[in-house]
Amino acid sequence: DTAVSQTPKYLVTQMGNDKSIKCEQNLGHDTMYWYKQDSKKFLKIMFSYNNKELIINETVPNRFSPKSPDKAHLNLHINSLELGDSAVYFCASSQDATNNQPQHFGDGTRLSIL
Amino acid sequence: QQQVKQSPQSLIVQKGGISIINCAYENTAFDYFPWYQQFPGKGPALLIAIRPDVSEKKEGRFTISFNKSAKQFSLHIMDSQPGDSATYFCAAKASGSRLTFGEGTQLTVNP
Repeated sequence: DTAVSQTPKYLVTQMGNDKSIKCEQNLGHDTMYWYKQDSKKFLKIMFSYNNKELIINETVPNRFSPKSPDKAHLNLHINSLELGDSAVYFCASSQDATNNQPQHFGDGTRLSIL
Repeated sequence: QQQVKQSPQSLIVQKGGISIINCAYENTAFDYFPWYQQFPGKGPALLIAIRPDVSEKKEGRFTISFNKSAKQFSLHIMDSQPGDSATYFCAAKASGSRLTFGEGTQLTVNP
């Protein structure tokens, strides 16, 4: 039973399209995250939600819009996809945002822009 | 600004050898230092973590050494095995702030 699951695993699409990635965690955690891992494997946080409230919003183009319908779900919608958006996107969760709790990652969504 | 610097970028070790990965940080507010292991096609997974009130933490073949005055910490993998071949990330976090990752080290353990 996967703790943090994200769909789809692979996403291949044309430049200019709009796409969404879904994430769900069954750990009962309060905090969820989106990370971007580039081709050099560098991991950078994009957003964080705590109990459905946005708490971290890094310098990310506003074409990226996270949505948290409840604390177990954090989806990522991307408008007008660009070549530079090609990367692996990871969803993660942790028990809370204030204490130093381990983050549990999903297996990633590999986004390729043609 | 990269707040956690990790080296080496890649490391090749023979089976049974010791793998050592080093990280240095700048922010003295950091108080949590985890290491994550990532296999191809998978997300990072927590391997071991340390807080600055101890200088060393050991879990099985994995040991973190922490030097608060030098603002450095390292991961030692004893008796390295081919199954340890993965990308390793150090990270650092201050309470209430975001987790900052190092650039990653690609470890290859040859049989």
